[in-house]
Amino acid sequence: SQTIHQWPATLVQPVGSPLSLECTVEGTSNPNLYWYRQAAGRGLQLLFYSVGIGQISSEVPQNLSASRPQDRQFILSSKKLLLSDSGFYLCAWSVQLPSDTQYFGPGTRLTVL
Amino acid sequence: DAKTTQPPSMDCAEGRAANLPCNHSTISGNEYVYWYRQIHSQGPQYIIHGLKNNETNEMASLIITEDRKSSTLILPHATLRDTAVYYCIVVTGTASKLTFGTGTRLQVTL
Repeated sequence: SQTIHQWPATLVQPVGSPLSLECTVEGTSNPNLYWYRQAAGRGLQLLFYSVGIGQISSEVPQNLSASRPQDRQFILSSKKLLLSDSGFYLCAWSVQLPSDTQYFGPGTRLTVL
Repeated sequence: DAKTTQPPSMDCAEGRAANLPCNHSTISGNEYVYWYRQIHSQGPQYIIHGLKNNETNEMASLIITEDRKSSTLILPHATLRDTAVYYCIVVTGTASKLTFGTGTRLQVTL
């Protein structure tokens, strides 16, 4: 069966510090991968998605970047964190067949102080 | 993607069926109805999805009206662990962006 891992689970970082969040998927090949952010009390916002190694699409301009160095690894990064980067970061995966259902990881709660 | 409307909150007694409605009157022919839920501080959990026909799995049943303008998620025997925010969304295409609204906060009580 497929599983998705995210780490760390929680993170507290000072403004201006770098960020690296990692997501890995097991049990499937060539998945679509997604990064979402959920701000406190608000809905989900798609940040990036990837349909293959090295292929990244950005949904909104922001202080973050994403990379996919391996088929089942998706990394979210920032060179300098802003207060507004605080939130709950969720990674998700899907495969086109039999359906394109997205399955979410446990999330990383980031607090920027 | 079409917009959905859900009641902000609902209560259900443990052991009873929980029926969560969703209105999606502007849904187009190639859009699916998906349901997810999110338990506090966890990632969203996929429940079920459908296009036209009613669907059932081990977690729930999804009833879609004939005109597809609304649907109902049914948890047949709610337990305390089903307390969560339930999101109804409509999506189309591959690598789709999921847009979660405010959902329905279901509280299951003893």
